[in-house]
Amino acid sequence: RKEVEQDPGPFNVPEGATVAFNCTYSNSASQSFFWYRQDCRKEPKLLMSVYSSGNEDGRFTAQLNRASQYISLLIRDSKLSDSATYLCVVKGPLRSNTGKLIFGQGTTLQVKP
Amino acid sequence: EAQVTQNPRYLITVTGKKLTVTCSQNMNHEYMSWYRQDPGLGLRQIYYSMNVEVTDKGDVPEGYKVSRKEKRNFPLILESPSPNQTSLYFCASSFGQGDQPQHFGDGTRLSIL
Repeated sequence: RKEVEQDPGPFNVPEGATVAFNCTYSNSASQSFFWYRQDCRKEPKLLMSVYSSGNEDGRFTAQLNRASQYISLLIRDSKLSDSATYLCVVKGPLRSNTGKLIFGQGTTLQVKP
Repeated sequence: EAQVTQNPRYLITVTGKKLTVTCSQNMNHEYMSWYRQDPGLGLRQIYYSMNVEVTDKGDVPEGYKVSRKEKRNFPLILESPSPNQTSLYFCASSFGQGDQPQHFGDGTRLSIL
């Protein structure tokens, strides 16, 4: 089982749709969680950190479910410019593999007019 | 301007010819890291460094070396490159121990013939 798993997609959605991605992680002691966005052939860029209480940034909402070991990203009112690959990132637990970041394969979103 | 700078951006070379990819950051970050990105496998961490003279293996360190003699620089060395090291490489840096948002360089596309 991969340490961080994502459905690679692609998710093809019309403009204005709401779309949700899930990401599961295998190590229950993982400490930090992030969503990154990567455009084709470009470097990944931080979209948002994921906090235990859930957090929202405009049209984007991230949630963490520690009991089920998954994090989610919800995008409301999709725009054409949201088309990208979304990477789930998990940091290893404290005192073990400190500093090691594990990236999911990414989920590709294509928003169509 | 705060940035992570990688050089070269593109390199085509032959098997066995030693090469170095440089990475420099101007943000006084403690943490630096190298990743490779391959289709279907996502981003995988090669090596990371939590401060000067402190380096550790990531998930795929075989065939690579790194050094961290100064805080700003974290070169990636391929002593004897092989075709399976053909990939897209990213350097990243952050404050802290990998639990802070990563700032990525633009990437280096290596082709080993």
